[in-house]
Amino acid sequence: DIQMTQSPSSLSASVGDRVTITCRASQSISSYLNWYQQKPGKAPKLLIYAASSLQSGVPSRFSGSGSGTDFTLTISSLQPEDFATYYCQQSYSTRLTFGPGTKVDIK
Amino acid sequence: QVQLQESGPGLVKPSQTLSLTCTVSGGSISSGGYYWSWIRQHPGKGLEWIGYIYYSGSTYYNPSLKSRVTISVDTSKNQFSLKLSSVTAADTAVYYCARANYSSGSDYWGQGTLVTVSS
Repeated sequence: DIQMTQSPSSLSASVGDRVTITCRASQSISSYLNWYQQKPGKAPKLLIYAASSLQSGVPSRFSGSGSGTDFTLTISSLQPEDFATYYCQQSYSTRLTFGPGTKVDIK
Repeated sequence: QVQLQESGPGLVKPSQTLSLTCTVSGGSISSGGYYWSWIRQHPGKGLEWIGYIYYSGSTYYNPSLKSRVTISVDTSKNQFSLKLSSVTAADTAVYYCARANYSSGSDYWGQGTLVTVSS
């Protein structure tokens, strides 16, 4: 199976900060990488698909980049509603796998 | 607007079979192009993919659960279902159903349902 890692596992940031989360795959997954946001008690929400495509309705402060094994999710200016846990997921393999998550909380 | 809703018992006894159904509205499972997935989340933990099914019946399962998992589809009811056999306390989790596509991720999710395994 393709293993996904994320760094950092958690971070503290302030409103207005630029935040970057990294996801790494154990083998090349081309651009089959998706990012989700999850808030407590809620289902995950798709933010970015195919590494860099913004899901409809998602604010443009979210962006994704990367290909192969290394990927990045960037929030250009953190807003109060962005405090949540973020997961990457590969869909290159028929056996989907998620990263362990990155929790973004308030500094 | 596509909507998914999980249903099933919230409490299952150890060694029994967990059974959940996901009802899809606002779109047809038979329309193709999507895989209908089950994902779970243990309390306070990350997301674990369980498996998915295509409307034709093709299935893919997480190898760690494969021996205990069956996912089926009922296109006439626009539903798909999860059965997980021989459950233990380790299967206590929130179970989500979702619509998935290889190239565009899982764009619609159910609200999730907590299943507790306890005698």
